Amino acid sequence: QQQVKQSPQSLIVQKGGISIINCAYENTAFDYFPWYQQFPGKGPALLIAIRPDVSEKKEGRFTISFNKSAKQFSLHIMDSQPGDSATYFCAANNYGQNFVFGPGTRLSVLP
Amino acid sequence: DAGVTQSPTHLIKTRGQHVTLRCSPISGHKSVSWYQQVLGQGPQFIFQYYEKEERGRGNFPDRFSARQFPNYSSELNVNALLLGDSALYLCASSLDHTGSYGYTFGSGTRLTVV
Repeated sequence: QQQVKQSPQSLIVQKGGISIINCAYENTAFDYFPWYQQFPGKGPALLIAIRPDVSEKKEGRFTISFNKSAKQFSLHIMDSQPGDSATYFCAANNYGQNFVFGPGTRLSVLP
Repeated sequence: DAGVTQSPTHLIKTRGQHVTLRCSPISGHKSVSWYQQVLGQGPQFIFQYYEKEERGRGNFPDRFSARQFPNYSSELNVNALLLGDSALYLCASSLDHTGSYGYTFGSGTRLTVV
């Protein structure tokens, strides 16, 4: 019940295209859903996060869509750039508890 | 402002040895969490400390221990190292223990056990 599933495992997108990464969770107590971006040799960096009281949040080219009834959320990267090539992790937690991370998606944006 | 700093950045140890990893949180952050990231996987929770007290512990053996000091820095200790302990060990700091403000991760310590 603590698991967060993430797909796809890897993703190749052309420059300017849309990258979509999906996550699903089981624990209905989760109330905070961040996405982290990780470059090789670096720690994960917070990209964007959402709480279940909203269905969508947009920050620049990055959008989180959240479906509470389906217990799913996704990251959309618009106008994908080669600099977006990294590993992306979805995560979830509930108040005062540790974060549970998905297994990651390796994104490659071709020039 | 300095981010989360971890030391050392890389470490090679032999099976059976002991290792100590160190973390300094962002100034003003009172919570430190430790995560293990095996190559190709997402980070797995090991410990969380807040105001020098353990607030949570993940599914790791007793060989793993940690503590937080009065200045909020933290140490992660691993005894009797196994090959499977080879991983990137991440420290994350946050304002408090709730996670409501998100985590800021350090760049990690890459531990290789041979």
